Amino acid sequence: DAKTTQPNSMESNEEEPVHLPCNHSTISGTDYIHWYRQLPSQGPEYVIHGLTSNVNNRMASLAIAEDRKSSTLILHRATLRDAAVYYCILRAPRVGTSYGKLTFGQGTILTVHP
Amino acid sequence: KAGVTQTPRYLIKTRGQQVTLSCSPISGHRSVSWYQQTPGQGLQFLFEYFSETQRNKGNFPGRFSGRQFSNSRSEMNVSTLELGDSALYLCASSEGSGLIYEQYFGPGTRLTVT
Repeated sequence: DAKTTQPNSMESNEEEPVHLPCNHSTISGTDYIHWYRQLPSQGPEYVIHGLTSNVNNRMASLAIAEDRKSSTLILHRATLRDAAVYYCILRAPRVGTSYGKLTFGQGTILTVHP
Repeated sequence: KAGVTQTPRYLIKTRGQQVTLSCSPISGHRSVSWYQQTPGQGLQFLFEYFSETQRNKGNFPGRFSGRQFSNSRSEMNVSTLELGDSALYLCASSEGSGLIYEQYFGPGTRLTVT
C-alpha cells in the first residue's frame, strides 16, 4: 500500500478553520484518499473520501492537489468535539487486497482550545 | 438505525486461554472487518468477511480467526492468548466490500490478558 505522511500533532482554537495536511507522494492513479477520525475512547469514524476532485460534506472538505501527491482535510469551524486523531488513508482498487481493509498510519492528533 | 455493537465491552483473560468476541453490524450491511488497536502498533487490519466468506486477511498468526453468520453477525476468536494480545478489538461494518464503501466502527472490546 502507498504510504501517507501526516504531522504528529496540530492545534487549533475553537471556531477557527483547521487545515490538516497529508502527503502521499507514491499514490497511484487509482488510489482513493480516505479520512477517518478517532475521538477519545471511541472507534474510528468516517469523515470523507475522494479521488481527484475536491469534495465537501457536512463534516468537512477535502482538497486534493492537482498532482494528487498531497491532500488537505479542512474543518471549517473547529469545535471542541473535533478534538481527535485524524487518519489519512489510501485505498487501492486492487481486487482482494482492498476488500474491507483500511491501513491506518499514526495520524494527526488535533487539539482544539476553547 | 442502530450502530455497530460489540460484546463484551471489556474482558480479562489469562494467558493460554481462548476468547470469542462478537460483532453485530448495522442492519443491511454485509461486510464486517476486524481491527486490533494497541499503543505500540496502532490500528491494524485483522480480516474481513463478506456474505459469510473471508475475503481479506491481515498479517496475524493463525491463532486469530473469525467467522460470519448468515445474518451478517461476526465473531472473532483468539486461541492460546498471549500477553501481547491485550488490545482494543474493533469491528467495522459496511454495505459492501470495496474501497468506495465507508466503514462504520463499533466501540470496541477491550481485552486484557494477564
